[in-house]
Amino acid sequence: GENVEQHPSTLSVQEGDSAVIKCTYSDSASNYFPWYKQELGKGPQLIIDIRSNVGEKKDQRIAVTLNKTAKHFSLHITETQPEDSAVYFCAASRGFQKLVFGTGTRLLVSP
Amino acid sequence: GAVVSQHPSRVICKSGTSVKIECRSLDFQATTMFWYRQFPKQSLMLMATSNEGSKATYEQGVEKDKFLINHASLTLSTLTVTSAHPEDSSFYICSANDRSYEQYFGPGTRLTVT
Repeated sequence: GENVEQHPSTLSVQEGDSAVIKCTYSDSASNYFPWYKQELGKGPQLIIDIRSNVGEKKDQRIAVTLNKTAKHFSLHITETQPEDSAVYFCAASRGFQKLVFGTGTRLLVSP
Repeated sequence: GAVVSQHPSRVICKSGTSVKIECRSLDFQATTMFWYRQFPKQSLMLMATSNEGSKATYEQGVEKDKFLINHASLTLSTLTVTSAHPEDSSFYICSANDRSYEQYFGPGTRLTVT
């Protein structure tokens, strides 16, 4: 089955810096890669996703890149703000099927 | 966007009792609903997948007789934790899918078993 690895487990940056979180997956048939932000005591919130027919997607300060050959994808957050502090999860799935989550990255943005 | 609600948001029950958690899709029909469990500082672990009108598919290691899932309609799925024990204390999260790739997550239910 699918296995998703995520690094780093914690990431501390200064406000205004960029943050990058990386994930690798094992199932070459996976074709949907979402990223979620989870604040303490809340459910995950989708922040951006990418499908396997696209190499990069951007939404304001957030971007995701996908390398299907190497089976890895990354989340890029530019101009970080204190409100970006949260736990971020990557995930992978085969279309409509179940999501397999990474282990999470705790991002701390210091003012 | 699509909204998923969960009820209750927090519940405390005594060991040996059962507790039911509801998951509702408020503005769309959910063909599939998923139930996850999340322990502190850990990732989301899928417990089961349910499709409306059919039996749930449980992940390996999840006891189907302990975690009863009912997906009676396209907008409601319930998870019942039977004979709860302290080790069942966790954050339970549901998600719903509307024939798109995206899963819409609920706000979670914090279960504490005393």
